[in-house]
Amino acid sequence: DVVMTQTPPSLSVAIGQSVSISCKSSQSLVASDKNTYLNWLLQSPGRSPKRLIYQVSKLDSGVPDRFSGSGSEKDFTLKISRVEAEDLGVYYCLQGTHLPYTFGAGTKLELK
Amino acid sequence: EVQLVETGGGLVQPGRSLKLSCVASGFTFSSYWMYWIRQAPGKGLEWVSSINTDGGSTYYPDSVKGRFTISRDNAENTVYLQMNSLRSEDTATYYCAKDEHWGQGVMVTVSS
Repeated sequence: DVVMTQTPPSLSVAIGQSVSISCKSSQSLVASDKNTYLNWLLQSPGRSPKRLIYQVSKLDSGVPDRFSGSGSEKDFTLKISRVEAEDLGVYYCLQGTHLPYTFGAGTKLELK
Repeated sequence: EVQLVETGGGLVQPGRSLKLSCVASGFTFSSYWMYWIRQAPGKGLEWVSSINTDGGSTYYPDSVKGRFTISRDNAENTVYLQMNSLRSEDTATYYCAKDEHWGQGVMVTVSS
């Protein structure tokens, strides 16, 4: 199974600060169709997870452009510019290239 | 507006069965793959199953393969998860998902 190593496990931030979360996979996530199926999700406190980014860098509808995704092969990054209160929660990366699909362990974003 | 509503959770004894349902609305159900993902209390996310658009292809991780069966009824806009031979480690909130949309989740507790 592909292991998704997500760091850091937690981040303490001030509103308006920018942060980055790393996700590294144990195998390349480039699929046979040349797409890279790496997603980022946010689970706000007490809520269901919500996908923010798919295929490394494509924002889902309604996701603010303060969020951006980058990376390739085995190394990926989620960046949040100018953190707002609504951004707090646990962020997960998810690879959908190889079966079984696997998640990172999560990064908890908290207020400083 | 996309809505995914899961039902069928509850308390069940080890070794028994339970069937979850997820009713979808707000999109052309028959055109999308559907997924089940679970989250044990206080833990991260685990992919449980996927089904393609016509139900002809299904996928599972080893942790549930042979015990869980995903199916769908495109006429009823519903995806199901039949869970047999339940174990204590299956205790979790089960989410139904389609791309960026997730349901509110349904709790399954396996305990004697």
